[in-house]
Amino acid sequence: AQRVTQPEKLLSVFKGAPVELKCNYSYSGSPELFWYVQYSRQRLQLLLRHISRESIKGFTADLNKGETSFHLKKPFAQEEDSAMYYCALLNQAGTALIFGKGTTLSVSS
Amino acid sequence: ETGVTQSPTHLIKTRGQQVTLRCSSQSGHNTVSWYQQALGQGPQFIFQYYREEENGRGNFPPRFSGLQFPNYSSELNVNALELDDSALYLCASSVDRGGTDTQYFGPGTRLTVL
Repeated sequence: AQRVTQPEKLLSVFKGAPVELKCNYSYSGSPELFWYVQYSRQRLQLLLRHISRESIKGFTADLNKGETSFHLKKPFAQEEDSAMYYCALLNQAGTALIFGKGTTLSVSS
Repeated sequence: ETGVTQSPTHLIKTRGQQVTLRCSSQSGHNTVSWYQQALGQGPQFIFQYYREEENGRGNFPPRFSGLQFPNYSSELNVNALELDDSALYLCASSVDRGGTDTQYFGPGTRLTVL
């Protein structure tokens, strides 16, 4: 079965603290994984994908096939990082994204 | 460059009615995907259209149907509405049907079924 699990509904941190948003997946083969973000009153947008191995807005994510995880990390959280974050997996057919339920990140000063 | 647009923004229907939602893809994109997002859930794939043909379908009943037009805009039609169809419906377009192409999402249509 293809599935994405985001175990935390809400993550609250203080500005400057490290952030780790957890994502676990279930997939046979080599997964294509993404993180999408939705800021308040904005549309869903791509934050990063594992194949590009790039850092966006200070966020990184490493694919760990042994633990079937793709956690999103940032060393120092900023207030503007407050948003809803979704982890997504490309389905076997390569047509659709399978999303987790999302984690709300709240960064306070 | 114009982004993905959807209409209407909000819609209220009663059980048993039919509804049509519209999506204009981003310029240069030939693939449109539709997702349903229930409250507190992540988006769930309904189907994808590539060059006017259905190119994949999620676990939704046949009363969910779609169309894509020559200009690559798209419609989602839902017949015999049920209360559980109340959700945010998202449209996403991409340059091509390849899954690694970035999907650009529209703002969504909020459907309420009473």
